[in-house]
Order: sequence, then C-alpha cells, then structure tokens
Amino acid sequence: DVKVTQSSRYLVKRTGEKVFLECVQDMDHENMFWYRQDPGLGLRLIYFSYDVKMKEKGDIPEGYSVSREKKERFSLILESASTNQTSMYLCASSFPGLRTDTQYFGPGTRLTVL
Amino acid sequence: DQQVKQNSPSLSVQEGRISILNCDYTNSMFDYFLWYKKYPAEGPTFLISISSIKDKNEDGRFTVFLNKSAKHLSLHIVPSQPGDSAVYFCAASLNRNAGNMLTFGGGTRLMVKP
Repeated sequence: DVKVTQSSRYLVKRTGEKVFLECVQDMDHENMFWYRQDPGLGLRLIYFSYDVKMKEKGDIPEGYSVSREKKERFSLILESASTNQTSMYLCASSFPGLRTDTQYFGPGTRLTVL
Repeated sequence: DQQVKQNSPSLSVQEGRISILNCDYTNSMFDYFLWYKKYPAEGPTFLISISSIKDKNEDGRFTVFLNKSAKHLSLHIVPSQPGDSAVYFCAASLNRNAGNMLTFGGGTRLMVKP
C-alpha cells in the first residue's frame, strides 16, 4: 500500500519566516508533486520533480522553492512566508507513464501564516 | 484562466438516488481524465479515470462519461450512499509522459442525506 507522509498536519508561522514542508513516499516513485488547495480553486500545482535533483515549475511557483536530494523526499520551502500563502498544502507521488496517471496524496499540511 | 472547471461547488442528494457531478475543460489536448475523492483532513484518493479514446468507463457504482465534442465529463454515482459525502475533484492529464502532470478543477462538495 502506497504511503505518502507529510511532516506536519498543522503549522502556524509568522510573516517573513522561512518554512519547510517535508514529504516522504515509500513506493520508490520517480515523480513527486506539491499542490496547494484553496476553496473554489481546487488543487494548483506549485512544483514537481521527476527525478532526484530535478524540478519543474508548476502553475504557481512564485514565493516557493523545492528540494529533492533523495528519491523518497521532496521538500517545499517558503523563503519568506506571507499571509497569502495560508493554505492547505498537499504532496503527491506517482510512477512515470503509469496508465492511469494516478497520483497518491499525503494527508496535507494546513499552514497558517499570521 | 482555469482549464478545468466544476461549476457546481456543492450538490445535495438523497441516499439511494443518483448523484451526477459535472466537469468542463477547455484544452482539447487533454487525453486522460480522472476523478478524485477527498474526505476532510485526508488527501485526495483516486476514484476512476477515462481515456479520451473512450466515452464511458464503469467501476461498480461509479461511471464516468466523456463527451469530447462538448469538452465535458460527468461522474455518476448510483446508488448514492452517505459514505460518498466528500469533495470530488475532476482532473485532466495533458501528456502522460511529461511527469503525469494533472490539472484539477475546483471541486464539488457532495452531500448524501440518509
């Protein structure tokens, strides 16, 4: 059974702080993704990675960076948190080229920036 | 501009009746479509998918219909059960070889009343 874990379920930070969100998957998936979920906007892709040390910008990368030093771990970094980054953050992973394109999601981190 | 839209933010259905969730897309290059279900405090889970070469795919109580000419897909749940109450996201895949990137709609909250 695929498991994607995220380091925190809830996080409260102050404006200007550097924030790290960690994601780990145990299924040896090549692809990993970071999304944010906001009401009415669904899931929007921030960054994805298709291999170690590789990263690609998604639809809303501004204000974020990522790191993938190991295959199983994908980190999302908010260099200087702002209130408009208050959101639910979801990590996902998948095999490349899988017929169903299924992505497996973690439980999410609800980040509040004060 | 959202390429995948779910125009109904919520839907209420009586237990035992049919639930129909709709999704429209604008990019004719999308070639694979998926539905995910999300319970509160959990990550989305894959429900059912359909390739653009088909117009229907069925899995138990869940059926997805695709109308390519109208750029429209729908998810039918028959019969609806209280446990189906969740937020449903439709998603579209542009190129399965390019990291399995998915574009999500804004979600529809389904409430099935006993």
